[in-house]
This record gives sequence, C-alpha cells and structure tokens, in this order.
Amino acid sequence: AQTVTQSQPEMSVQEAETVTLSCTYDTSENNYYLFWYKQPPSRQMILVIRQEAYKQQNATENRFSVNFQKAAKSFSLKISDSQLGDTAMYFCAFMKPSNFGNEKLTFGTGTRLTIIP
Amino acid sequence: NAGVTQTPKFQVLKTGQSMTLQCAQDMNHNSMYWYRQDPGMGLRLIYYSASEGTTDKGEVPNGYNVSRLNKREFSLRLESAAPSQTSVYFCASSGYGYNEQFFGPGTRLTVL
Repeated sequence: AQTVTQSQPEMSVQEAETVTLSCTYDTSENNYYLFWYKQPPSRQMILVIRQEAYKQQNATENRFSVNFQKAAKSFSLKISDSQLGDTAMYFCAFMKPSNFGNEKLTFGTGTRLTIIP
Repeated sequence: NAGVTQTPKFQVLKTGQSMTLQCAQDMNHNSMYWYRQDPGMGLRLIYYSASEGTTDKGEVPNGYNVSRLNKREFSLRLESAAPSQTSVYFCASSGYGYNEQFFGPGTRLTVL
C-alpha cells in the first residue's frame, strides 16, 4: 500500500514571497502520478498540478511548480509570488494508473497555508 | 456542464437515523468515488465504482453502502448513522486512463 506524508501541518508566508510545501511518499510502483490539490475555505477540491513519474521534467503551472525527486520519493510544491487567494489547505496525493477504472487517490494529511497581507 | 454535483450540502442526523448522499456527474465518466475528510487525516476512500454495475470497498467502508444507479449517479447510504461518521463527504469521478479525478462540492454531515 502507498503512503503519503506531509510533515508541515501549517505554514504562513508574506504576500509576494515564495513558499515551498513538502511531501514524501512510499511506494513500490515504478509508474504512478502525483498531484497537489488546493482546498480553499469554500471546501472545493481544486487540482493545482500533476506530475507523471516517468517524466523527469518537473511540472509547472504559472506560479506553481514542483520539485520531483523520484529516487528520494519526494514531491514538493513551490508557490512563487504568493497571493492572498493562495490561502488554503493543500493536499499531496498519489495515484497508481489503471485502464480499468480503479485509480484510487491516496492523500496526505494536508498543509494549511496562510498568506499574510 | 455542471461537473460533479452532490446533495445535500449540509445535513444533521441523530444517532441511528439513515440517509442517502446523492452524487451525479455529467462528464460521461466511467469511474466514481466516495471519500470522507476528517480533521488531520486528509481524504480517505470509502467506496468506488470502476464502471456501471460494479462497486468495490476502499479504505474505510464499514457503516456504508453504495449504489451505482447508472453511469451518471453514485449514491452513498448510511443505514444507522453514528457520531464517528461525522465528516465531510466528497464524491469524485474520472474517465478511464485520464488520471485525474474531478470532485464535487462536498457534503458536511453531523451526527449527534
């Protein structure tokens, strides 16, 4: 079974600064996907970024980027030029791909990020 | 295109009462999932349905039943609610090989 660990329960950073959220995982699989989800106070789960394990290049989406270290089983999220709207709970998640529809997500416990004006 | 919808958004039950949480998706996805979110524990999978007519247990299935009514709808039933089932419940869906799940807005359930 896979496990996902987020060791930072809470973080805060000044607006416009850069912040990095940590995530480590444990798996014996070679092919998998990793995700960062954002959950603002509205409770909606929003996909921030996705990384395929077979790709060496780190994924980026505008101000969001990841540092994927497959050998170390580490998957951190960097938010650049942080904005007040980035205040949310952030979840790291693992998925083993399948063609049969049983692609279950395993989540970490989350990091509550607060952007300070 | 509403995506994934859930009803109700909030519910309060007394211990021993039953209820059904409804979920529907309009993205023609084959797979649907039910998760619960508890403080400090992230989201955990309750049940999933890989295709119409099939359902399987996830990590925390005890106390729940599910029905995949058709391709669009996947319901979660609590037959005899317990305070330990106080949680936020999320439904999600995905297409085969798409490797991304789309989430509904969640249902906050309180069992007194």
